Amino acid sequence: SQQGEEDPQALSIQEGENATMNCSYKTSINNLQWYRQNSGRGLVHLILIRSNEREKHSGRLRVTLDTSKKSSSLLITASRAADTASYFCATDGGNTGKLIFGQGTTLQVKP
Amino acid sequence: DTGVSQDPRHKITKRGQNVTFRCDPISEHNRLYWYRQTLGQGPEFLTYFQNEAQLEKSRLLSDRFSAERPKGSFSTLEIQRTEQGDSAMYLCASSRISGSFTGELFFGEGSRLTVL
Repeated sequence: SQQGEEDPQALSIQEGENATMNCSYKTSINNLQWYRQNSGRGLVHLILIRSNEREKHSGRLRVTLDTSKKSSSLLITASRAADTASYFCATDGGNTGKLIFGQGTTLQVKP
Repeated sequence: DTGVSQDPRHKITKRGQNVTFRCDPISEHNRLYWYRQTLGQGPEFLTYFQNEAQLEKSRLLSDRFSAERPKGSFSTLEIQRTEQGDSAMYLCASSRISGSFTGELFFGEGSRLTVL
């Protein structure tokens, strides 16, 4: 069963715009991770934020974590057509790598 | 470093047949994971190994499923008497523990199973 919900389920934007995806989860976590998946391919790790962190940046990515609300957001700035993919948040409750994934947000960036 | 390798990439089989998938993790990664992903859903955890020991199995892993990692290197996932509901992408991932921290998972490209 999935840990939580991702919102929106689908997002379509123009190249150059920012994309924001939200993730909510249900149980306590050790860390939360975001992954990208191109159609029919494996998942690629984007960023990891630990439970004691509130914000993290990596290139055009910004992730926030609010443990009191059990939610996280992923912001992709200045989007590119190559960012078109599905994005998943995943929580690790026991620091084991046993990740519980959300259902994902499908992002389409139009050139 | 080569990435996580999975074989075969695609498998079509008839209901009732047995299938086996192989995963070669990144060398020196001591943890190996199997996930299953159906269309439009996020991956679901099946099982994981630390070296050759299988540490946890999901309730999703029925008796028809068995996974091994005999020498702590590659792993196999076997499905016996396949059913149409087994059709999915089977994803393997590996990671390396640093101290007590697991960190990110490195995924393979997956093995897509279609049961007719």
